[in-house]
Amino acid sequence: EVQLVQSGAELKEPGESLKISCKASGYSFASHWIGWVRQMPGKGLEWMGNIYPGDSDTRYGPSFEGQVTISVDKSISTAYLQWSSLQASDTAMYYCARPRSYLDNNNFPQPYYFDSWGQGTLVTVSS
Amino acid sequence: EIVLTQSPGAPSLSPGERATLSCRASQSVRSDYLAWYQQKPGQAPRLLIFGASTRATGIPDRFSGSGSGTDFTLTISRLEPEDFAVYYCHQYATSPWTFGQGTKVEIK
Repeated sequence: EVQLVQSGAELKEPGESLKISCKASGYSFASHWIGWVRQMPGKGLEWMGNIYPGDSDTRYGPSFEGQVTISVDKSISTAYLQWSSLQASDTAMYYCARPRSYLDNNNFPQPYYFDSWGQGTLVTVSS
Repeated sequence: EIVLTQSPGAPSLSPGERATLSCRASQSVRSDYLAWYQQKPGQAPRLLIFGASTRATGIPDRFSGSGSGTDFTLTISRLEPEDFAVYYCHQYATSPWTFGQGTKVEIK
């Protein structure tokens, strides 16, 4: 069974850095893309980006490119979402989610729809 | 970027009624790479439908998806009490991936 377990809620001040995590189990971590989705308070879902743990190929949504860093540690099957300087507008629930994969014409896995989700990490940025 | 617009905004329906939720894309969604998710308060989203019309594992057959190109529909044939939630459509055909703004199905 695929499981994604995220780190706990965070309360931070503006300007602080933060790294939240998503530990995967129940499947071959290196062989499947993993992504992050933001949900601001009372709002909808926004795709932040996906990363392929096999080679760390990372794709960001345009609103998040340069604002966050997505990374992985294959040795412990964990994905990360990182900020260098938080702002109040980063206050949100953040979900990691695993896309199903399909093989493209070059036999390389490409991300598909999200079929498994973590429980979410609430990040609150306030002075 | 493909913009997904969902309607109606917040239908009020009774248990046993039929719910028809619409998702319209600003441009054609290649290969019908469109999914639907259900989200209940305090919970992560749950996959209902992928490929526009294929139910995910364990999803009751009262949920069905249809459509292609730019117009997609999620139908709940007979609403159960546990179906009152927010529903999102999502296209994964073209980067950046995008979600609709959500439709909240409320109890009348």
